[in-house]
Amino acid sequence: DIQMTQSPSSLSASVGDRVTITCQASHDISNYLNWYQQKPGKAPNLLIYDASNLETGVPSRFSGSGSGTDFTFTISSLQPEDVATYYCQQYDTLPTFGGGTKVEIK
Amino acid sequence: EEQLLESGGGLVQPGGSLRLSCAASGFTFSSYAMSWVRQAPGRGLEWVSGISGSGDNTYYAGSVKGRFTISRDNSKNTLYLQMNSVRDEDTAIYYCGKVRPGGLEVAPTTTWGQGTLVSVSS
Repeated sequence: DIQMTQSPSSLSASVGDRVTITCQASHDISNYLNWYQQKPGKAPNLLIYDASNLETGVPSRFSGSGSGTDFTFTISSLQPEDVATYYCQQYDTLPTFGGGTKVEIK
Repeated sequence: EEQLLESGGGLVQPGGSLRLSCAASGFTFSSYAMSWVRQAPGRGLEWVSGISGSGDNTYYAGSVKGRFTISRDNSKNTLYLQMNSVRDEDTAIYYCGKVRPGGLEVAPTTTWGQGTLVSVSS
């Protein structure tokens, strides 16, 4: 199995701050990397697919980059509605998720 | 509007069986691969299983392979997950999802159901 190491596990930032989450794969996964947002008590929501493609309807303050083993997810200006847990997911082989990053407002 | 509605969750004893269903509407069901993803209480997400649009190809996580069976009935727009020989660690919310077309048949998931809770306990 490909292991996905996501960091940090949690963060607290102010409204308007730039927030960055990283995900490292244990093997080269090319660009087969997705990012999801999950709000408490809700199903996940796809934000970014194939490392850097913004899913339809997702605000442009969300972005992703990277290829191979190292990936980055960025919220350019944190909003109150962005409080959630964010997960990366590789699907170069059978899918695996990172451990998640809980984002809170300071 | 695309919708997925899971059902069939509940309390089951270790070693028992349960069948989950996922009713789809608002899109051409047979054209899309589908998946199951679960989340244990207070834990992260775990991909469980996937199936192609035709049903010809199926995929399983190692933790459930040989115990769970994914299937679909395209005439009924319904996805299934047959869970046999369940274990305590199978306790989770199970989500069904529609896979984004154009790529592989297992991810990413673009539309999700609300989830159904499976509790394994004696």
